[in-house]
Amino acid sequence: KNEVEQSPQNLTAQEGEFITINCSYSVGISALHWLQQHPGGGIVSLFMLSSGKKKHGRLIATINIQEKHSSLHITASHPRDSAVYICAVGRVQGAQKLVFGQGTRLTINP
Amino acid sequence: DAGITQSPRHKVTETGTPVTLRCHQTENHRYMYWYRQDPGHGLRLIHYSYGVKDTDKGEVSDGYSVSRSKTEDFLLTLESATSSQTSVYFCAISVGLAGSFLDEQFFGPGTRLTVL
Repeated sequence: KNEVEQSPQNLTAQEGEFITINCSYSVGISALHWLQQHPGGGIVSLFMLSSGKKKHGRLIATINIQEKHSSLHITASHPRDSAVYICAVGRVQGAQKLVFGQGTRLTINP
Repeated sequence: DAGITQSPRHKVTETGTPVTLRCHQTENHRYMYWYRQDPGHGLRLIHYSYGVKDTDKGEVSDGYSVSRSKTEDFLLTLESATSSQTSVYFCAISVGLAGSFLDEQFFGPGTRLTVL
């Protein structure tokens, strides 16, 4: 079993819909990261959280340490949000050796 | 943009040849990482470095070596490339956030390596 599990693996939605991507992990962590990767593109860090909730524009990330679960929400989704979203956890402070989920491929249709 | 470049960006080589990938950063960050990304496996850590001449193995280090003789450069070498090493390779750096003991990782643009 992977240490980091994401769901769903693939998600297709219509423009404007509220999107939720989930991440569960099985180890103690120092921080959880959400990353975005556009097709053929590089990897961009969206959020890093150790507790609570963060918001950036239409993106919201939450984490529940007790339940070992995080969610990434996208409000008013747009076709440009189509990308792979990757959850990763850092188990060691300092070196931050990340362990990654498999990614969720999001497609937003106009 | 954390000032990370990778070279080459694309490379095709033959089985058995040595290959070196370069990661260069401009901001003197201490921690640097090499990952590979493969369909069905996601991103996996190959090696990482926590300073000049200080490196350690990740989860998929077999067949790879690294060197870091300067803070700004982290080299990944495939001594004798195999077809199983066909992948996209990402370099990353770890940046400490002000007022926090946590680090955020920033990734380079990637190198697509094909081993025939």
